[in-house]
Amino acid sequence: GAVVSQHPSRVICKSGTSVKIECRSLDFQATTMFWYRQFPKQSLMLMATSNEGSKATYEQGVEKDKFLINHASLTLSTLTVTSAHPEDSSFYICSAGSHLNYGYTFGSGTRLTVV
Amino acid sequence: DAKTTQPPSMDCAEGRAANLPCNHSTISGNEYVYWYRQIHSQGPQYIIHGLKNNETNEMASLIITEDRKSSTLILPHATLRDTAVYYCIVLGGATNKLIFGTGTLLAVQP
Repeated sequence: GAVVSQHPSRVICKSGTSVKIECRSLDFQATTMFWYRQFPKQSLMLMATSNEGSKATYEQGVEKDKFLINHASLTLSTLTVTSAHPEDSSFYICSAGSHLNYGYTFGSGTRLTVV
Repeated sequence: DAKTTQPPSMDCAEGRAANLPCNHSTISGNEYVYWYRQIHSQGPQYIIHGLKNNETNEMASLIITEDRKSSTLILPHATLRDTAVYYCIVLGGATNKLIFGTGTLLAVQP
């Protein structure tokens, strides 16, 4: 149990285009999901907290107009990187709370490369 | 938020126990200690968590000092597949956000 599915696992896009990443909780409902970004050889950095039915809460320094988050249902949150540029190339990871272990389960991550 | 301090790296021989320390001297009474690990290019994996009692599951044991200011994650018989970055995180109380520090890179040697 407590499975979080993230899609796509890898994406390459052209500079200036937008990319949508999906995060789904497969066997539980998640009122809250979290989005992280990780650059090579660095730790995970929390970007935002996605709240079902309401606006996301962004961490300091994260542009909300750049990284659009939608959490329209209890099992799905999406992160859209708008007008992507090469510096947005990173590993994006989502997580969701699980009643099974009182902690959080993570998706497998999305490797975004902007060319 | 309570912060944690971990050594940046550790080595362990395959088959031996790996003991990973973590300091969390500012932890509050209602905050839990969580351990996650991240194998290269994958999402973090939950290992174990505890409040004040020692805990054990199929993956590891967690030893928390009586004053709760530090803890040790024990992998009883490390294998090559245990090579990963291990993160000690304090969660609970006023926050529900997992904030990652720099973690410990555990390298299991054959």
